[in-house]
Amino acid sequence: AQRVTQPEKLLSVFKGAPVELKCNYSYSGSPELFWYVQYSRQRLQLLLRHISRESIKGFTADLNKGETSFHLKKPFAQEEDSAMYYCALGSPSNTGKLIFGQGTTLQVKP
Amino acid sequence: DAGVIQSPRHEVTEMGQEVTLRCKPISGHDYLFWYRQTMMRGLELLIYFNNNVPIDDSGMPEDRFSAKMPNASFSTLKIQPSEPRDSAVYFCASSEIRQGVNYGYTFGSGTRLTVV
Repeated sequence: AQRVTQPEKLLSVFKGAPVELKCNYSYSGSPELFWYVQYSRQRLQLLLRHISRESIKGFTADLNKGETSFHLKKPFAQEEDSAMYYCALGSPSNTGKLIFGQGTTLQVKP
Repeated sequence: DAGVIQSPRHEVTEMGQEVTLRCKPISGHDYLFWYRQTMMRGLELLIYFNNNVPIDDSGMPEDRFSAKMPNASFSTLKIQPSEPRDSAVYFCASSEIRQGVNYGYTFGSGTRLTVV
């Protein structure tokens, strides 16, 4: 079955420290992967999609098919990065549906 | 584009009352999704539509929940009768697939429902 795993419920770092939010997926074909961010009491917003290979707000994510991972990274965390982060996998049968992980709360301390 | 528009933003109702949540997707998006978010259960997919047709409603918790999409620009999620355990934030999202590529969802701002 297709699945997205975010092993950490909470990740706490100090401002200026590097951040890596882990995401592993299970799917045998070519995945479509996304990262969403949700700031306190706001909507989920698309942060990154792997097909675009872009960097948003200093975050990057590289698809590693060998390790079936799509970890989100930022070299220097800022306090405003504190939020909930969700990794999502595009439905392999191309139904348009995304399969979300359980989310990781990132807390950046001053 | 104004994005995905949901109304109302907040709803407080008494147990047993009917509640209707509304969603206007992004024009041209042919998928529409309804999610519920709570601290205990996280983000749950309730139902989704493709070209106004319900595709998967297996996430709808009970018969008290129903959803419709009468046209490409409007969808409703109805709870009748409402119960305190339905209190949650309900998100609507829309998306499109272009040339076989899923470009991801755009979420609305959500409706915060409180049933007392």
